Amino acid sequence: GQNIDQPTEMTATEGAIVQINCTYQTSGFNGLFWYQQHAGEAPTFLSYNVLDGLEEKGRFSSFLSRSKGYSYLLLKELQMKDSASYLCAVLDSNYQLIWGAGTKLIIKP
Amino acid sequence: ETGVTQTPRHLVMGMTNKKSLKCEQHLGHNAMYWYKQSAKKPLELMFVYNFKEQTENNSVPSRFSPECPNSSHLFLHLHTLQPEDSALYLCASSQDTSAGGPYEQYFGPGTRLTVT
Repeated sequence: GQNIDQPTEMTATEGAIVQINCTYQTSGFNGLFWYQQHAGEAPTFLSYNVLDGLEEKGRFSSFLSRSKGYSYLLLKELQMKDSASYLCAVLDSNYQLIWGAGTKLIIKP
Repeated sequence: ETGVTQTPRHLVMGMTNKKSLKCEQHLGHNAMYWYKQSAKKPLELMFVYNFKEQTENNSVPSRFSPECPNSSHLFLHLHTLQPEDSALYLCASSQDTSAGGPYEQYFGPGTRLTVT
């Protein structure tokens, strides 16, 4: 079966750095996405990785290792507004998105 | 109006009611999706339409009936639902996968459905 694993909840301090991990086992791979979802709102696209390595986009970076079936989302200089759920999703061989259950990130002052 | 819109935002219905959810995208995409989101569970893909044609139906009960009259509009018709169908229903759109990318999906704000 297809499976995406990520921690259920994480807590971090304002101004700090946090890394949210995602591991996957899917039938085929056409890229990995990270989305942010604030409570009561739609998921919004953060990043897409299809090749190994680190992609940096402002305070957010995303890393992929296809051989390990592993990705992480790195958030720097955390702000209170970063409190949200972060969803990992893999595009499988049929170009369907397989979703993780999301990681709820709580930022404390 | 930009992006992906959904109406209504909230819906309470009895088990014998019939209602419809509406989604509209203004992004020029050719693929549209219905997802169900329940608390602490992964997003569940329900239906996929590419160029108005249904390409995926992930074992969804027949009490959910999708309709896609054109590439910009998507409906989800609901009838004789069960309390366990209470969830957030999200619509999304993207370029069709034959286009070679980009593949990211853009979501509407969702309809919070409560079945009593």
